[in-house]
Amino acid sequence: GAVVSQHPSRVICKSGTSVKIECRSLDFQATTMFWYRQFPKKSLMLMATSNEGSKATYEQGVEKDKFLINHASLTLSTLTVTSAHPEDSSFYICSARLAGKSNEQFFGPGTRLTVL
Amino acid sequence: KQEVTQIPAALSVPEGENLVLNCSFTDSAIYNLQWFRQDPGKGLTSLLLIQSSQREQTSGRLNASLDKSSGRSTLYIAASQPGDSATYLCAINAGGTSYGKLTFGQGTILTVHP
Repeated sequence: GAVVSQHPSRVICKSGTSVKIECRSLDFQATTMFWYRQFPKKSLMLMATSNEGSKATYEQGVEKDKFLINHASLTLSTLTVTSAHPEDSSFYICSARLAGKSNEQFFGPGTRLTVL
Repeated sequence: KQEVTQIPAALSVPEGENLVLNCSFTDSAIYNLQWFRQDPGKGLTSLLLIQSSQREQTSGRLNASLDKSSGRSTLYIAASQPGDSATYLCAINAGGTSYGKLTFGQGTILTVHP
């Protein structure tokens, strides 16, 4: 199946710093990628839809200035958590949509963010 | 707004048992439904995808069914093994203007003990 990678897998940062997370589709082109966050023992909540070459679409309640998304190529989307705070600590997972083949979504392995 | 519910929240079975995981959704106007597996601290692995026009999909020991009219899907696991232990999530793709956005259930934590 299609492979999606994320980098880094884990990051620990100080409060107030910014963290960038990369999501790559390794063996296919993805015009659309999605960013989710998952709190412990909870399900995934969609944060935003990332479209190549255009601005991301954010879900209600998600601050676009805090969670900056860039989808500069068909294989790479980045999520930058700006001025991170402890409440931003979470598991962030991206997915990429394989267009034309059942439009199935394939997920990355996730990034564990811990803000001290 | 689509709501997805999974029952049971947790399930513990001995190895070899056949089992059924349930997923219900409130809005039957769906594009497709996916079942995923998530191991602790890991991402999601897609297990099965059922288009809205289909009634079931099979992959190995897994069989997923879809009944749109009643807003239900089931994931059947045959001859369970300890390696099947994980959290199982179902997700609805509503299509239309929400195309591609997945709404997830809260998951069923499955433990298969030897």
